[in-house]
Amino acid sequence: EIVLTQSPATLSLSPGERATLSCRANQSVSNNLAWYQQKPGQAPRLLIYDASNRATGVPARFSGSGSGTDFTLTISSLEPEDFAIYYCQQRNNRPRTFGQGTKVEVK
Amino acid sequence: QLQLQESGPGLVKPSETLSLTCTVSGAPIKSSTYYWGWIRQPPGKGLEWVGSIYYGGSTYYNPSLKSRVTISEDTSKNQFSLKLISVTAADTAVYYCARAGAEAGYYFDYWGQGILVTVSS
Repeated sequence: EIVLTQSPATLSLSPGERATLSCRANQSVSNNLAWYQQKPGQAPRLLIYDASNRATGVPARFSGSGSGTDFTLTISSLEPEDFAIYYCQQRNNRPRTFGQGTKVEVK
Repeated sequence: QLQLQESGPGLVKPSETLSLTCTVSGAPIKSSTYYWGWIRQPPGKGLEWVGSIYYGGSTYYNPSLKSRVTISEDTSKNQFSLKLISVTAADTAVYYCARAGAEAGYYFDYWGQGILVTVSS
């Protein structure tokens, strides 16, 4: 099973700041990685797929990069609605696995 | 607009069977350009893939649940279902059904709102 480790667990930032979230896999997943955003009481929302492709309707301030074992989600300038939990997920192998999440909170 | 809606009992007794249905509207569940899955989330915790069902009916399950889980489809009702036997308190979670579409790299791009299932006597 591929284990995805996200860091940091919590990121405390102010609106307008840049957020950089990390996801590391214990073996290569090529570029088969996605990022999701989840707000309290809501289902996850797909943001980025195949490491760097924005899903439909996702603002350009969200970008993804990386391949192999190291991936990054960047939010260039945090908007109030971006404070949430972010999960990475790989689909390179079964079982599909998720990271444990990074919470982006208001500083 | 594609919509998914989970339904089923919110409370299941230990050792019994959890049965949930996902009703899909806005697209046929039988298509080669997407597949369907169940994902769960224990209260206050992260996401866990339960399993998926593909075009043609093939299924894949999380090995941590494999011996207890079954996913099936009913194309006449445009639904797919989850059955989890011999549940324990550890199976208490919000259960989501979701679609993985070709246009989103076969990641989960549409989700239901989720249904909380509590395992308790």
